[in-house]
Amino acid sequence: DMKVTQMPRYLIKRMGENVLLECGQDMSHETMYWYRQDPGLGLQLIYISYDVDSNSEGDIPKGYRVSRKKREHFSLILDSAKTNQTSVYFCASSRDRANSDYTFGSGTRLLVI
Amino acid sequence: EQQVQQSPASLVLQEAENAELQCSFSIFTNQVQWFYQRPGGRLVSLLYNPSGTKQSGRLTSTTVIKERRSSLHISSSQITDSGTYLCAMERYDYGSSGNKLIFGIGTLLSVKP
Repeated sequence: DMKVTQMPRYLIKRMGENVLLECGQDMSHETMYWYRQDPGLGLQLIYISYDVDSNSEGDIPKGYRVSRKKREHFSLILDSAKTNQTSVYFCASSRDRANSDYTFGSGTRLLVI
Repeated sequence: EQQVQQSPASLVLQEAENAELQCSFSIFTNQVQWFYQRPGGRLVSLLYNPSGTKQSGRLTSTTVIKERRSSLHISSSQITDSGTYLCAMERYDYGSSGNKLIFGIGTLLSVKP
C-alpha cells in the first residue's frame, strides 16, 4: 500500500523548544513537500525537496528548515518554536517535478504554547 | 493575494442532489488538480485535469485553461462525500526551477440525509 507517513500525529511544545516533524514515503518519489494548513489561509508551501540534499524554499520558509538525507525521508525542523507556528503540517510527495501522483500524509497537529 | 479562488465557500446538499464547485486562477496555468479532504484528514487527489473534461465515477471536472477556470461536478451526492474540496493549480517557480502546486482555500461540502 503506497503511502506517506507522518510522525507524530499530535504534538504540544512550549515556545522556544525545538520541534522535529518526520515524514516518510515508500513510493521512491523524487519530490517531497512540507505544507502548513491554517483556517482561512489554506495550504501554504514551506519547503520542497527535489531529491536528497536538493531542497528549495517554498512560499513561507522563515522559521523552518528541512533535511533530506534519504530519498524516502524528509524532516521539518522548527528551531525555537513560536506560538504562530501552531498549525497542521502536511507532508506530500510526487513522482517527479511534474507533480504527478501527488500523495499526502495524514498531517501533524502542532500546538506551541 | 489569493491566486486560486474557489466558490462557493460552503455548500449544503440533500443526499442525491448534484453539486457544482468552481475554481478560478489569477494567472495562467497548465495543470489543475482537484483534491478531497475529510475534516482533520489527509488530502486525496481526485482528478488531474489540465484541460477539457475528465471523469472519475460520479466526479466530472471541466477545465478551460484560456479562461483560467475549472469546475468539479459531483453527481448523486452521498453523505460520505461531505468534506472539503480543494482546487490546485501548477505554477512554475524560477527560483527552484521546478513546479509548485498553489491551493485554494476550498469548498466545504455537507451532504444531509
